[in-house]
Amino acid sequence: QVTLKESGPVLVKPTETLTLTCTVSGFSLSNTKMGVSWIRQPPGKALEWLAHIFSNDEKSYSTSLKTRLTISKDTSKSQVVLTMTNMDPVDTATYYCARIHTVDGVWYFDLWGRGTLVTVSS
Amino acid sequence: SYELTQPPSVSVSPGQTASITCSGDKLGNKYACWYQQKPGQSPVLVIYQDTKRPSGIPERFSGSNSGNTATLTISGTQAMDEADYYCQAWDSTTVVFGGGTKLTVL
Repeated sequence: QVTLKESGPVLVKPTETLTLTCTVSGFSLSNTKMGVSWIRQPPGKALEWLAHIFSNDEKSYSTSLKTRLTISKDTSKSQVVLTMTNMDPVDTATYYCARIHTVDGVWYFDLWGRGTLVTVSS
Repeated sequence: SYELTQPPSVSVSPGQTASITCSGDKLGNKYACWYQQKPGQSPVLVIYQDTKRPSGIPERFSGSNSGNTATLTISGTQAMDEADYYCQAWDSTTVVFGGGTKLTVL
């Protein structure tokens, strides 16, 4: 069974750095047909893509947040880590990790984790 | 930056056809995906590569993409289809989501 599970702090203070971990099972992060993305959703609002990483370590970041984000992976641990610096209350959101799957060069998010709610407050 | 625009809400009667649009500059030159999200749940892929349905998605869900508009069509809409729907496309190496459409079945 393929699963993705997000973990990290429930509460962070303004200006702190957030570190989230996505632990995957049922597939390998070295699979060339797959990658992992982080996507967030503020309460009652739309989805917002943050970053992704592929098996060859290729990375991409949201243009508006790229100065604050770092994504990395540990294939041996089946984990993808996202760090976001200088957290602000507007960053309060449910953070999802999702698997990127490719077929014939077309990429899409075929599986999502359950998400983890992160609240930024002093 | 690239943007995708969706209507905030769409209403449909049970058994009727619902159409949800997603607009973006030359969107037809990209591949569009659609995700369904029910309250308190994670998004679920319902359409990828404009028209394809993942395994387990009912046949009543279909998609199209041409010009500047991608459309998700739900034929014979059921009460269980009430949810938020998001379109998504790739702009080079980055990902763009639409603002979401709340589908109400009444």
